[in-house]
Amino acid sequence: GENVEQHPSTLSVQEGDSAVIKCTYSDSASNYFPWYKQELGKRPQLIIDIRSNVGEKKDQRIAVTLNKTAKHFSLHITETQPEDSAVYFCAARSSASKIIFGSGTRLSIRP
Amino acid sequence: DAGVTQSPTHLIKTRGQHVTLRCSPISGHKSVSWYQQVLGQGPQFIFQYYEKEERGRGNFPDRFSARQFPNYSSELNVNALLLGDSALYLCASSLDTGTDTQYFGPGTRLTVL
Repeated sequence: GENVEQHPSTLSVQEGDSAVIKCTYSDSASNYFPWYKQELGKRPQLIIDIRSNVGEKKDQRIAVTLNKTAKHFSLHITETQPEDSAVYFCAARSSASKIIFGSGTRLSIRP
Repeated sequence: DAGVTQSPTHLIKTRGQHVTLRCSPISGHKSVSWYQQVLGQGPQFIFQYYEKEERGRGNFPDRFSARQFPNYSSELNVNALLLGDSALYLCASSLDTGTDTQYFGPGTRLTVL
């Protein structure tokens, strides 16, 4: 069935360094890949998304890359700040119009 | 994402009871999706509704049902509650099924005792 795997499950980086989170998906017909940030006790917030006709997208300190051949996509956060600490989820829209989420990455920024 | 509302915010039920959760999408959005988020995990897709019709269903038992009303608001119903149904239930709205961007509501925290 449809599946999205996300790594790592936890990530700790020094403030100012970069963070990279990687995801793979199983449904080759997936065509939309959003990333959500969820702070403790709050709703998931869309931070960036990419569609299958694009290989890379950037928004200030956040970028996402997509490799359709390998069926994986990654989130890159540069110049990390304390407010970047949260749980990040990748997701993929399957051919059945379901959005399947990864298991999440808990990102901690060390001062 | 501002604009998706859910009620109630918290709910405590006992095993075997029934629960109804409500969601109002962003004004102008016609599609509503429901997700279950167990603590420490990613949201799991339950249903998607568009124009009052079910457009997608996740791997959940028949105890879970939903509907969408003419004003595009939606209800999620869960019968015969189990301890394992304790979770945050999230509603997400989008313009339609063909527009991918979904915006989440604040969720309803359901505790089953």
